[in-house]
Amino acid sequence: DSGVTQTPKHLITATGQRVTLRCSPRSGDLSVYWYQQSLDQGLQFLIQYYNGEERAKGNILERFSAQQFPDLHSELNLSSLELGDSALYFCASSDRDNEQFFGPGTRLTVL
Amino acid sequence: DAKTTQPPSMDCAEGRAANLPCNHSTISGNEYVYWYRQIHSQGPQYIIHGLKNNETNEMASLIITEDRKSSTLILPHATLRDTAVYYCIVRVGNAGGTSYGKLTFGQGTILTVHP
Repeated sequence: DSGVTQTPKHLITATGQRVTLRCSPRSGDLSVYWYQQSLDQGLQFLIQYYNGEERAKGNILERFSAQQFPDLHSELNLSSLELGDSALYFCASSDRDNEQFFGPGTRLTVL
Repeated sequence: DAKTTQPPSMDCAEGRAANLPCNHSTISGNEYVYWYRQIHSQGPQYIIHGLKNNETNEMASLIITEDRKSSTLILPHATLRDTAVYYCIVRVGNAGGTSYGKLTFGQGTILTVHP
């Protein structure tokens, strides 16, 4: 158990819909990262937040957005969903140390 | 971040040492070598990292060549539960809240440990 929790574990929705994925980091970790893992693209970094502020952006679509709240939990919002958005979405957290701790992921299926 | 090259797959017999190589010929002086693994769609798991000295922890050993252009992850006594995709990643260390904190995953090495 990494100490990072993600909800929900599974999400099935239709094209055009909007969903919100939630991540609770390890206690005390200020950084939260979101990654997407699809069959054709592998594990890709989406976005990072540090203590409530956006710190870095990766290959995140404009239809996707995220935020980190004062209690340090984070949410990833995916809108106007397309079939290609079906993937595993992982959240990770870290403090000022080197390693990131990953959550169990949310499996999103867009039908 | 420097690019890494790993073999796509490797096999290992249970109880034997698994030696996973990684090439990172363009590594910079301030970049660390990290290893993560992912077991069957679970979240990636941190294994070990190092800068230039060899490192060992309860999971594995990391051997980095003197010129730092390659490294080897060693699982001393592989078990069936070590079957996973192993990722070698080069990244600026001690990134904390900086923009250098992201991990760039390649294709990794699929390690299969067989009885």
